[in-house]
Amino acid sequence: AQRVTQPEKLLSVFKGAPVELKCNYSYSGSPELFWYVQYSRQRLQLLLRHISRESIKGFTADLNKGETSFHLKKPFAQEEDSAMYYCAPRPNAGNNRKLIWGLGTSLAVNP
Amino acid sequence: ETGVTQTPRHLVMGMTNKKSLKCEQHLGHNAMYWYKQSAKKPLELMFVYSLEERVENNSVPSRFSPECPNSSHLFLHLHTLQPEDSALYLCASSRRGAGNEQFFGPGTRLTVL
Repeated sequence: AQRVTQPEKLLSVFKGAPVELKCNYSYSGSPELFWYVQYSRQRLQLLLRHISRESIKGFTADLNKGETSFHLKKPFAQEEDSAMYYCAPRPNAGNNRKLIWGLGTSLAVNP
Repeated sequence: ETGVTQTPRHLVMGMTNKKSLKCEQHLGHNAMYWYKQSAKKPLELMFVYSLEERVENNSVPSRFSPECPNSSHLFLHLHTLQPEDSALYLCASSRRGAGNEQFFGPGTRLTVL
């Protein structure tokens, strides 16, 4: 199985503090990883993907093959960042591989 | 409605019932997915339809049967389910290919009595 794990169920920080949401993966072959976010009463939506090396809403994530990690970071958290964050593998349409997302981390940014 | 829609939004069924979940996408995508999200468990990919090819997670029981009549519609046929199948079932679609964003529907909350 291609599996990602998110060790923290809940992360609580104050506004303006740095935030890091952890994600580790176990894969055979080259991983393709994404961060999805779900704001209150909204659908799951893509936040960023590792192949783009982009910064979205101030968030960045670097794929570290040595540590098998893809942690999500933001230097200064905002209250509107409060949401559920999921680390996800690419849904490869082949080889019948089992794809398992992370359990998700609930981020609470306090004023 | 634009984007990915799912019906019904809530479904309660007995173990002997047969029901179907429906998903529709209006985004011109050519890949569609069914996910299962159970309480306190990670989101798990059940089925992928891509360019009329079906790929499945081989741990999904046969009481779940997907159908994709065209690139815009996806069904999940349910029969003789068990109470542990109660979960939120999410549909998603994307353009086929590496790194493409999945767009999710609102989900169907299924309860099996």
